Amino acid sequence: EAQVTQNPRYLITVTGKKLTVTCSQNMNHEYMSWYRQDPGLGLRQIYYSMNVEVTDKGDVPEGYKVSRKEKRNFPLILESPSPNQTSLYFCASSLGRGYTFGSGTRLTVV
Amino acid sequence: GEDVEQSLFLSVREGDSSVINCTYTDSSSTYLYWYKQEPGAGLQLLTYIFSNMDMKQDQRLTVLLNKKDKHLSLRIADTQTGDSAIYFCAETQNTGGFKTIFGAGTRLFVKA
Repeated sequence: EAQVTQNPRYLITVTGKKLTVTCSQNMNHEYMSWYRQDPGLGLRQIYYSMNVEVTDKGDVPEGYKVSRKEKRNFPLILESPSPNQTSLYFCASSLGRGYTFGSGTRLTVV
Repeated sequence: GEDVEQSLFLSVREGDSSVINCTYTDSSSTYLYWYKQEPGAGLQLLTYIFSNMDMKQDQRLTVLLNKKDKHLSLRIADTQTGDSAIYFCAETQNTGGFKTIFGAGTRLFVKA
């Protein structure tokens, strides 16, 4: 089944403890992206990648890192999470006409 | 600047048509999209329209694009309770990359 898989689905962590949210797609898509969804703000793009080793900042990249060492994976790294990064995170991939989204990761930073 | 705006709520009766509206600011947009998000799930691509088209129809869904006014609408015919969800308008900008901007989403309530 064609899909984007994120893990974990839920995560509660403490301020400053490094974490990684994994994202993998099995559709051979070139484009991948991370979004965060907050009430009343819709989806805001954190980082995106146009291909292996090609990444660029979205609208809200501060406090996040990404890597694209292979086509299928696009992990999101929070080196030192803070409470304002509590949010619902979505990974998505595309060939160029619309994204396929993962099911989301709900992150709480206390 | 770049912005996509939608009204936050819409309530309709089952069987009626729903019209969800969206305005955008970037005239260089290449594709415009409608996504649906059901509770606890990710976004699902419903339909998209290329910027040189005026209308696209797909079963119960009709998308209208007015480039002059930068206005996009999604009409759902014969709205069902299963259509209750949040609907997001989005645009992909012609910046050489793949930057996609989403609206805040319109929550559609369908009353039986």
